[in-house]
Amino acid sequence: ETGVTQTPRHLVMGMTNKKSLKCEQHLGHNAMYWYKQSAKKPLELMFVYSLEERVENNSVPSRFSPECPNSSHLFLHLHTLQPEDSALYLCASSQADRVSGYTFGSGTRLTVV
Amino acid sequence: GNSVTQMEGPVTLSEEAFLTINCTYTATGYPSLFWYVQYPGEGLQLLLKATKADDKGSNKGFEATYRKETTSFHLEKGSVQVSDSAVYFCALWTQKLVFGQGTRLTINP
Repeated sequence: ETGVTQTPRHLVMGMTNKKSLKCEQHLGHNAMYWYKQSAKKPLELMFVYSLEERVENNSVPSRFSPECPNSSHLFLHLHTLQPEDSALYLCASSQADRVSGYTFGSGTRLTVV
Repeated sequence: GNSVTQMEGPVTLSEEAFLTINCTYTATGYPSLFWYVQYPGEGLQLLLKATKADDKGSNKGFEATYRKETTSFHLEKGSVQVSDSAVYFCALWTQKLVFGQGTRLTINP
């Protein structure tokens, strides 16, 4: 399988639940990203990993916890979320420092109830 | 800091109409410029790009020219189709991608 794959596609969770979003890329890229896309808001960059090290964390609440165990996999661990965290969470990958653009996954549509 | 400004949406056109979506940028140095498209229920897909001034990116009938003198990268298509209905994002890259706010395009048959 090629490209960037995100699972699950849809997730409904209660505010006290713990869940994880998974992202996998088979493009040989060495940088991975989490974005949040909410209705009527610009895309928000949450986290950046380059060569498996977190290089950017844009003031994201601690209830979101990323993990990058290797260059092909990226997780976003979720716990005690709020309804305003409901959004589309997009993963992307790229070759760091190369002008090739990012390849995005299809996203996980998260609903917090 | 670097930023991208796109025309406000939503934009609604009839099939076969001419499309322009404006994009201007502010950046230090010489960014590369991109257009991404997001179809309903999907992630973003790279539509076209240009890496230096006066370059023209093109794909699927869409075009955009990197204009350094006006710091613009407007997206154009001569004859749109219903299947072009999507959200379009302009972006610039220096060491990371910076996106505009997106423009929703709806094409009516």
